[in-house]
Amino acid sequence: AQSVAQPEDQVNVAEGNPLTVKCTYSVSGNPYLFWYVQYPNRGLQFLLKYITGDNLVKGSYGFEAEFNKSQTSFHLKKPSALVSDSALYFCAVRDRGDSSYKLIFGSGTRLLVRP
Amino acid sequence: GAGVSQSPRYKVAKRGQDVALRCDPISGHVSLFWYQQALGQGPEFLTYFQNEAQLDKSGLPSDRFFAERPEGSVSTLKIQRTQQEDSAVYLCASSRQGALSGQYFGPGTRLTVT
Repeated sequence: AQSVAQPEDQVNVAEGNPLTVKCTYSVSGNPYLFWYVQYPNRGLQFLLKYITGDNLVKGSYGFEAEFNKSQTSFHLKKPSALVSDSALYFCAVRDRGDSSYKLIFGSGTRLLVRP
Repeated sequence: GAGVSQSPRYKVAKRGQDVALRCDPISGHVSLFWYQQALGQGPEFLTYFQNEAQLDKSGLPSDRFFAERPEGSVSTLKIQRTQQEDSAVYLCASSRQGALSGQYFGPGTRLTVT
């Protein structure tokens, strides 16, 4: 069965400091991996995805994520956090062999960037 | 419009009522998904359409849930005889055809069953 774990309910970081939001996954085959961000009363917004190739993926708003196959992880990172980055972040996985293309989401991590 | 739209944005239903939630995907997007997001949780897959064909409905929690996309564009998620445990945000997403296409989400419909 496919699953995603986001071990931290909340991450607190000071503006200007680097941030990391953790994600580990489990799939039977090879994964496609995604990060989405959710602001209050708004839908999920796509940040970045790993399909194949370079393990370091760069996405929107200065975010990046590193795919680590041996650790089955896909942590989200940003070198310098902004207060406006405060939001709810979701990691998602899709098994490449799943013909329905559905995403399996983690439970989310709330990022709070303090001024 | 440029994005996925959903209506209504908010719906309050008395227990036992039927509700219908609408999703307008991005024009030209072949694939359409419905997800349910309970408070404090991540979205959970409900069902998937490719054009008008419902190819996966494995996530629908009971036979009270029904989805359709008769012309391969607009989709409706119907919940019959609503229960309190149906209270959640229902998210619709669409994508182009193909395994590598990303899913674009609408703002969701918040359903509250009283």
